[in-house]
Amino acid sequence: GESVGLHLPTLSVQEGDNSIINCAYSNSASDYFIWYKQESGKGPQFIIDIRSNMDKRQGQRVTVLLNKTVKHLSLQIAATQPGDSAVYFCAETLRAGNNRKLIWGLGTSLAVNP
Amino acid sequence: NAGVTQTPKFRILKIGQSMTLQCAQDMNHNYMYWYRQDPGMGLKLIYYSVGAGITDKGEVPNGYNVSRSTTEDFPLRLELAAPSQTSVYFCASSYARPGLETSTDTQYFGPGTRLTVL
Repeated sequence: GESVGLHLPTLSVQEGDNSIINCAYSNSASDYFIWYKQESGKGPQFIIDIRSNMDKRQGQRVTVLLNKTVKHLSLQIAATQPGDSAVYFCAETLRAGNNRKLIWGLGTSLAVNP
Repeated sequence: NAGVTQTPKFRILKIGQSMTLQCAQDMNHNYMYWYRQDPGMGLKLIYYSVGAGITDKGEVPNGYNVSRSTTEDFPLRLELAAPSQTSVYFCASSYARPGLETSTDTQYFGPGTRLTVL
């Protein structure tokens, strides 16, 4: 399954399938990107990050892809499990003078069907 | 380590009342943040702090105040509560090495405080 955009869509996948969650970030000057997972009733939890000098980074069952040309970030979850059901947020870090500003996306809700 | 802790977990306020949401972290992080999250929405930054004694406004600071007297604690004060402040409030912390520009890298979140204003 695949989702697009920074509004809050719902992506529904079957257990065992691969999931792709997409994020269109806002600023070409952003140099650091993070994916967070938020389970129901809990605070967001760090999943994986990637710096702008990389195109791909892999973790355990998760892969983040960065396409700076079109300002697009994606999170791939392999063999999706019921425990992956959550809202996933992308966040970009923008350098503004001497400060760095974190910009949050709205999130994508992932529902895993058993 | 307990990480980031928040109290209370739930609270119901009447319009015009005030309260303080508590946040503490034991990771010796220098940066701390307060967010609010409305139903089905993303996070909005209320206030943040880059160290003890230093605070700054985020995206939606109106109706709130903060203080940072210690590294560990970052309470959020609501004065004259309004129904528009009904939300879930998250506190977070992160670490940046002194001397570098402000960091908004990996943040660690507390479990949240669910606030209802009636």
